[in-house]
Amino acid sequence: AQRVTQPEKLLSVFKGAPVELKCNYSYSGSPELFWYVQYSRQRLQLLLRHISRESIKGFTADLNKGETSFHLKKPFAQEEDSAMYYCALALSGTYKYIFGTGTRLKVLA
Amino acid sequence: DVKVTQSSRYLVKRTGEKVFLECVQDMDHENMFWYRQDPGLGLRLIYFSYDVKMKEKGDIPEGYSVSREKKERFSLILESASTNQTSMYLCASSPPRGWVEQFFGPGTRLTVL
Repeated sequence: AQRVTQPEKLLSVFKGAPVELKCNYSYSGSPELFWYVQYSRQRLQLLLRHISRESIKGFTADLNKGETSFHLKKPFAQEEDSAMYYCALALSGTYKYIFGTGTRLKVLA
Repeated sequence: DVKVTQSSRYLVKRTGEKVFLECVQDMDHENMFWYRQDPGLGLRLIYFSYDVKMKEKGDIPEGYSVSREKKERFSLILESASTNQTSMYLCASSPPRGWVEQFFGPGTRLTVL
């Protein structure tokens, strides 16, 4: 069955520390993965997608098919990175996405 | 800029009431979605629509129905609201091709008393 797992509900780091938000997926098809972010009192929005291989706001994510992972990383956390982060898997041949349960990132001063 | 709007930011209803949540998008997107967002459960798909008058059940359709009479508008209907439907409801839209970004509305926080 298709599944997206984000094992951490809450991740607290100090400003300037590295950040890694974990995402693992289970899917028999070719995975298309995304990270979405929701800042306080704002709508959910796309942060980055694996196919673009881009860095947004200093965040990167690499698809590792062997480990079925798509972890989100940033070398130096900023206070404005505090938000809720969701990993999402698009199912090929459909319009459906499977979202993970989310990880709340708190960056402490 | 894609704009997805939802009719209410906060809504309080009583058990047994019929509830309508409205969503409008202005980017001529074919696909529209309704999710509920609950702490610890993430986003769960209730229904989606890939064209006018077309709909498909998502993962948790029980207790809900939808209507899409016009391309820009997608309504979620709770036929008889229950307390376990208290949640944040998010609407989203996307272009027709797969694996593209979904654009979300601000959400409606529904409380059923």
